[in-house]
Amino acid sequence: GESVGLHLPTLSVQEGDNSIINCAYSNSASDYFIWYKQESGKGPQFIIDIRSNMDKRQGQRVTVLLNKTVKHLSLQIAATQPGDSAVYFCAEKAGGGFNAGGTSYGKLTFGQGTILTVHP
Amino acid sequence: DSGVTQTPKHLITATGQRVTLRCSPRSGDLSVYWYQQSLDQGLQFLIQYYNGEERAKGNILERFSAQQFPDLHSELNLSSLELGDSALYFCASSVALSGRYQETQYFGPGTRLLVL
Repeated sequence: GESVGLHLPTLSVQEGDNSIINCAYSNSASDYFIWYKQESGKGPQFIIDIRSNMDKRQGQRVTVLLNKTVKHLSLQIAATQPGDSAVYFCAEKAGGGFNAGGTSYGKLTFGQGTILTVHP
Repeated sequence: DSGVTQTPKHLITATGQRVTLRCSPRSGDLSVYWYQQSLDQGLQFLIQYYNGEERAKGNILERFSAQQFPDLHSELNLSSLELGDSALYFCASSVALSGRYQETQYFGPGTRLLVL
């Protein structure tokens, strides 16, 4: 029978290699982007974020690159470890404005995710 | 551990029933968000509350409703359940600051709902 469900892109790497996970976003008005990691049976875990006024941001072993011209986001993981194996999601948020209370409207739009498998 | 808690962890129920999912945000966070994650739709935003008031609505069905209480915990009510409602339901929370500050959302561990 026909399978159902999302067919996620996959990336397999050897331990110690660098990984690059890509994401194309859709809304040119999005001004905030986040990468999340989701391990099996757990909720999405924040990795790194970037605002649209930046094109690169570095964290510990991770770097996010933003190319607004082509609406592309990437996550680079240095020296990938088996514990990095998970599904990685990019998420975008359009500004949405602020109300009198000073909070932004928070809808995040998630990409479909990429499965990263790290082989020892 | 993100600091966001959700109960129950697992829920099995029958079609036509009603369930309530509970979320406690991180200490100090005023905004709560609900998301649904299913195999065929991925992660979908349902609804956001800020300090007890609804702030944004996404792909939330009319059979679903939510609220945020004075102590800032939130409940998501799912009624007239259908097989297709089987999914993981996540709650996230964030700090609301004045000014143009983009708030990171921290997710709870989720509730896995199975409708039989």
